[in-house]
Amino acid sequence: DGGITQSPKYLFRKEGQNVTLSCEQNLNHDAMYWYRQDPGQGLRLIYYSQIVNDFQKGDIAEGYSVSREKKESFPLTVTSAQKNPTAFYLCASKRAATNEKLFFGSGTQLSVL
Amino acid sequence: DQQVKQNSPSLSVQEGRISILNCDYTNSMFDYFLWYKKYPAEGPTFLISISSIKDKNEDGRFTVFLNKSAKHLSLHIVPSQPGDSAVYFCAASVFEAAGNKLTFGGGTRVLVKP
Repeated sequence: DGGITQSPKYLFRKEGQNVTLSCEQNLNHDAMYWYRQDPGQGLRLIYYSQIVNDFQKGDIAEGYSVSREKKESFPLTVTSAQKNPTAFYLCASKRAATNEKLFFGSGTQLSVL
Repeated sequence: DQQVKQNSPSLSVQEGRISILNCDYTNSMFDYFLWYKKYPAEGPTFLISISSIKDKNEDGRFTVFLNKSAKHLSLHIVPSQPGDSAVYFCAASVFEAAGNKLTFGGGTRVLVKP
């Protein structure tokens, strides 16, 4: 089955620690995205990538970093500079053509210990 | 600055009746609009979309209306079913040099009562 796999489902971060959230897709999509959802809030764009080895900052990129070394993979690192990391993180992908829908993974809940 | 707004955080409707969800946007460059449904602790699932060249799109019980002059879109669900109880997000897309960027509204929680 084609889809987007996010891991882990739950992740805990200690103060000053960097953590990496995994996102893998086998849909052969060129574009990949990371969103953050806070309780009772909408989805806010962190980073996005249209092609391998290229990515762009979204609306709330501070304290996060990404890489896009392979088409299938778009890991997100939550750095110690992100002072309020507790949130539900969603990875998504789509075909690069315009007017295509996003497909989402099942999300990772990150909490601070 | 919220470019996509859903002003009603919640909506309660009786089973079998119509649910109407509203969404307003400010960026006139948005050219593609989508609605997603989301359950807690899960990823959103796509419901229906509409291009800016249309004013209506239907798919089964779901119809999306777009009023470009008012920068407003709405989702109608008829008839509403208990399984429709979820949070609904509208999203708007614009193509920039860096690629497609989707901006989401804050969501509307729908409760369909049996």
